[in-house]
Amino acid sequence: GESVGLHLPTLSVQEGDNSIINCAYSNSASDYFIWYKQESGKGPQFIIDIRSNMDKRQGQRVTVLLNKTVKHLSLQIAATQPGDSAVYFCAELNSGNTPLVFGKGTRLSVIA
Amino acid sequence: DSGVTQTPKHLITATGQRVTLRCSPRSGDLSVYWYQQSLDQGLQFLIQYYNGEERAKGNILERFSAQQFPDLHSELNLSSLELGDSALYFCASSGQGNTEAFFGQGTRLTVV
Repeated sequence: GESVGLHLPTLSVQEGDNSIINCAYSNSASDYFIWYKQESGKGPQFIIDIRSNMDKRQGQRVTVLLNKTVKHLSLQIAATQPGDSAVYFCAELNSGNTPLVFGKGTRLSVIA
Repeated sequence: DSGVTQTPKHLITATGQRVTLRCSPRSGDLSVYWYQQSLDQGLQFLIQYYNGEERAKGNILERFSAQQFPDLHSELNLSSLELGDSALYFCASSGQGNTEAFFGQGTRLTVV
């Protein structure tokens, strides 16, 4: 079946470095993608989204890149801080308000 | 604060019992989603309601059921509980169209 998946289950980065978290999706009909951050004991928190008619979107210290050709999504975090330590999930959505499909998640650990 | 409220925050119950989890969506959101998250796992979609009607169904067991009431709050009923049902249960809500879903803080269910 179609699914959303992540390349790396864990990622350790030095404080101040940039982080890149990758995600592969297989449903070509997906037209909306979201990155969520989940801290321990909390619910997922929206970080940034991107629609399929875009290939890049920037937020505050975060950038999402979408490559529809290879069905790949990435989240870049600039100047990673200890507070960025969390599990990051990508999620995809098809038109028609169908439910978000989540990948397994990548745990980001920031080394001070 | 996402605006989505879930109660209770924690629930401990015995095998074979039945519990009800409650979710109040963000003001104005018509869609409510339920997700299950087991330890160190991703978010598994269970079921979605839109304006009181079931919109989509995921991997929800027959022992589980849900409903959305006229005031748009939703309840997830889990019956004949098994040890493997121990997990975090999240509710999320969203508005019309392809918009991000906002998550509650979850209910941690422990079946003993």
